[in-house]
Amino acid sequence: QKEVEQDPGPLSVPEGAIVSLNCTYSNSAFQYFMWYRQYSRKGPELLMYTYSSGNKEDGRFTAQVDKSSKYISLFIRDSQPSDSATYLCAMSAGFQGAQKLVFGQGTRLTINP
Amino acid sequence: NAGVTQTPKFQVLKTGQSMTLQCAQDMNHNSMYWYRQDPGMGLRLIYYSASEGTTDKGEVPNGYNVSRLNKREFSLRLESAAPSQTSVYFCATLGQGIYEQYFGPGTRLTVT
Repeated sequence: QKEVEQDPGPLSVPEGAIVSLNCTYSNSAFQYFMWYRQYSRKGPELLMYTYSSGNKEDGRFTAQVDKSSKYISLFIRDSQPSDSATYLCAMSAGFQGAQKLVFGQGTRLTINP
Repeated sequence: NAGVTQTPKFQVLKTGQSMTLQCAQDMNHNSMYWYRQDPGMGLRLIYYSASEGTTDKGEVPNGYNVSRLNKREFSLRLESAAPSQTSVYFCATLGQGIYEQYFGPGTRLTVT
């Protein structure tokens, strides 16, 4: 069983919809939770970062972490065609000389105009 | 600033051939990483280097070697390529905030 599970999709929604992306994990040592966005044929870029449990909002994006359920979510409000990309969740137990991230499989998202 | 650069962008190898993937960064970051990305598998860590002069294995190190040549450069070597190593390879560095990794544009490798 993978440490981090993410539904690969693909997910296709109309412009303006609210999008919910999710990951589950099994390692209770994870403390740092991230969402990366990857456009086609590009490297991933950090979108959101959360430490421990709780919510974090940045514009149209909200990241939620529920450590008791080992479940994290990314919500995109008022989705735009430019949000079409693959979204990867990533987690880390902390910085011990170097940060080692464990990634989910990535969810491919398409926003239709 | 170029950020993280990788060469080559594309490569086709025959089984058994060797090659080195190059990565360089101009952000003065200490930690550097090599990942491979395969469909349905996400990004998997091959090797990482916490600082100049140190390297450690990640999740999938078999068939690969690395060299941290200096603070800027971190190379990945395939000594005897196999079709299972067909993948997209990404180099990354760790930012000063210790939570953001910066990725290069990737190298698409096909082994026939």
